[in-house]
Amino acid sequence: GENVEQHPSTLSVQEGDSAVIKCTYSDSASNYFPWYKQELGKRPQLIIDIRSNVGEKKDQRIAVTLNKTAKHFSLHITETQPEDSAVYFCAGGTASKLTFGTGTRLQVTL
Amino acid sequence: EAQVTQNPRYLITVTGKKLTVTCSQNMNHEYMSWYRQDPGLGLRQIYYSMNVEVTDKGDVPEGYKVSRKEKRNFPLILESPSPNQTSLYFCASSQRPGSLEQYFGPGTRLTVT
Repeated sequence: GENVEQHPSTLSVQEGDSAVIKCTYSDSASNYFPWYKQELGKRPQLIIDIRSNVGEKKDQRIAVTLNKTAKHFSLHITETQPEDSAVYFCAGGTASKLTFGTGTRLQVTL
Repeated sequence: EAQVTQNPRYLITVTGKKLTVTCSQNMNHEYMSWYRQDPGLGLRQIYYSMNVEVTDKGDVPEGYKVSRKEKRNFPLILESPSPNQTSLYFCASSQRPGSLEQYFGPGTRLTVT
């Protein structure tokens, strides 16, 4: 089956700086890679995704990149704000069946 | 209001006592899925359903059952719960798999002693 690894497990950045979270996957058949944000005590929220036929996707301050050859994908957050503080999960697989990374706790400090 | 509801929200039970966690959505979504969340392990998919009477295993289906007899409901059944099923459970739905409009339920915190 699929195996998704996520790094780093914790990340602290100053407000306004960029944050990058990286994930690798093992199954070359995986074609769908969503990212979730989970604020403390709340339910996960799907924030952006990328499919294997696309190399990059952007939505305002967040962007995702995918390198199929190297089997890795990344989440980039620019101009970080305190409300970006949360745990972020990557996932990989098909749109219906997903394997998740173990999460990155992002702390945005003032 | 579009929403996914789960019941109960909190449950403490004993090993071996059958239980059901209900999940219901009011958006006529076709796709529903169950996840468990454990510290250090992140989210893990248990089962998913593409439509009525169509269910399939996720990464960690052992010890769980599901059914999808109606489009709106997707209950999670633990026939003989064990302590290693102590976890936070989330149900989610979307019109189709891979839709950015995915709705999660509020979660059910289950403790099995």
